[in-house]
Amino acid sequence: AQTVTQSQPEMSVQEAETVTLSCTYDTSESDYYLFWYKQPPSRQMILVIRQEAYKQQNATENRFSVNFQKAAKSFSLKISDSQLGDAAMYFCASQGGSQGNLIFGKGTKLSVKP
Amino acid sequence: DSGVTQTPKHLITATGQRVTLRCSPRSGDLSVYWYQQSLDQGLQFLIQYYNGEERAKGNILERFSAQQFPDLHSELNLSSLELGDSALYFCASSAGPSGGSTDTQYFGPGTRLTVL
Repeated sequence: AQTVTQSQPEMSVQEAETVTLSCTYDTSESDYYLFWYKQPPSRQMILVIRQEAYKQQNATENRFSVNFQKAAKSFSLKISDSQLGDAAMYFCASQGGSQGNLIFGKGTKLSVKP
Repeated sequence: DSGVTQTPKHLITATGQRVTLRCSPRSGDLSVYWYQQSLDQGLQFLIQYYNGEERAKGNILERFSAQQFPDLHSELNLSSLELGDSALYFCASSAGPSGGSTDTQYFGPGTRLTVL
């Protein structure tokens, strides 16, 4: 069975600073995908970034990047130049190659201080 | 806007009642997933349909059922509602049937169900 663990229930960052959200996972799949989703107060689930496990290169989307450590089963999200609009719940999720459904962590609530 | 639509946005009903939640996937997407988000259980996968056929089941109660119609929209039916069924129900869609580089899931805005 797949599991995803986010050990930081809450994090805080100063505007324009950098913050890293942690995630560890466990899976028996050899082919899998990892995601970070953002859920702002509107409750909409927004895809932030995706990482294919077979790719060694860390994914990057503008100010968002990941540190994917496959051997350690770690998948952290780095947000650079934090903005007030980044304040949200962030969910880490895994998806096995043979199964389409996402397995989510419990989330990290990120606050951004002006 | 993800392109996935869900109706209604909010639903308030009483225990023992039955409700239907509706989801329209993004244009061209064949897979529809239903997820439940509650305070105590977090985000949980309920069920997946692919091109009209049930493909995978998660932690879905027997009181809950779903279907996907020929036009690919999906409905989630919740019956004999209990207080604990109060949650945010999300629908997500993807192009293909399973995990893959083209099968990223995009979420609808959700339906907030309140059972009184």
